[in-house]
Amino acid sequence: EPEVTQTPSHQVTQMGQEVILRCVPISNHLYFYWYRQILGQKVEFLVSFYNNEISEKSEIFDDQFSVERPDGSNFTLKIRSTKLEDSAMYFCASTRQGTSPLHFGNGTRLTVT
Amino acid sequence: DQQVKQNSPSLSVQEGRISILNCDYTNSMFDYFLWYKKYPAEGPTFLISISSIKDKNEDGRFTVFLNKSAKHLSLHIVPSQPGDSAVYFCAASAGGTSYGKLTFGQGTILTVHP
Repeated sequence: EPEVTQTPSHQVTQMGQEVILRCVPISNHLYFYWYRQILGQKVEFLVSFYNNEISEKSEIFDDQFSVERPDGSNFTLKIRSTKLEDSAMYFCASTRQGTSPLHFGNGTRLTVT
Repeated sequence: DQQVKQNSPSLSVQEGRISILNCDYTNSMFDYFLWYKKYPAEGPTFLISISSIKDKNEDGRFTVFLNKSAKHLSLHIVPSQPGDSAVYFCAASAGGTSYGKLTFGQGTILTVHP
């Protein structure tokens, strides 16, 4: 069964550094998402992306965050200047139709020191 | 954010018995509800969903019930198997163009004992 693939599985970075988290959604999917889960907290919506633009974003997704689909297969989340509180598990998800359930990747654990 | 709540942090069940996981929501705009299962070091895996026009949806051993007046949904697993042991998340969305904007509950750890 096709999978959403995320790399790296674990990223350690220093506060203030830029990070890019990478995702390869399922190939025929059209809707893309980023979620995150801070340790001990709920899974939270960050952003949705369709037709090469952001459809919706949460209040967490401020100017430090950006998303991009640089080619036909990758979907990236960039954090420009990481903070300690950005430490979390980041999940990418995709779906073929807007009304279909999301398929999640296994996540990237981001640790900001 | 308490729009979706799973009040039971954990549930322990004997193999072969029924597991019932509960979820409450407060946002009346939610009209699409899902259950996801999560194993350690993996992402959430979709289990079953229900839209607000239904009160029950069944898929094999999994049944989801929706009580709109009570703003409550539940997931029944019958019979429970040891492989069902995982964290179960309830999630909801407001539909329309926001189907994929899910609001998650805190999760319930289900342990099925052989």
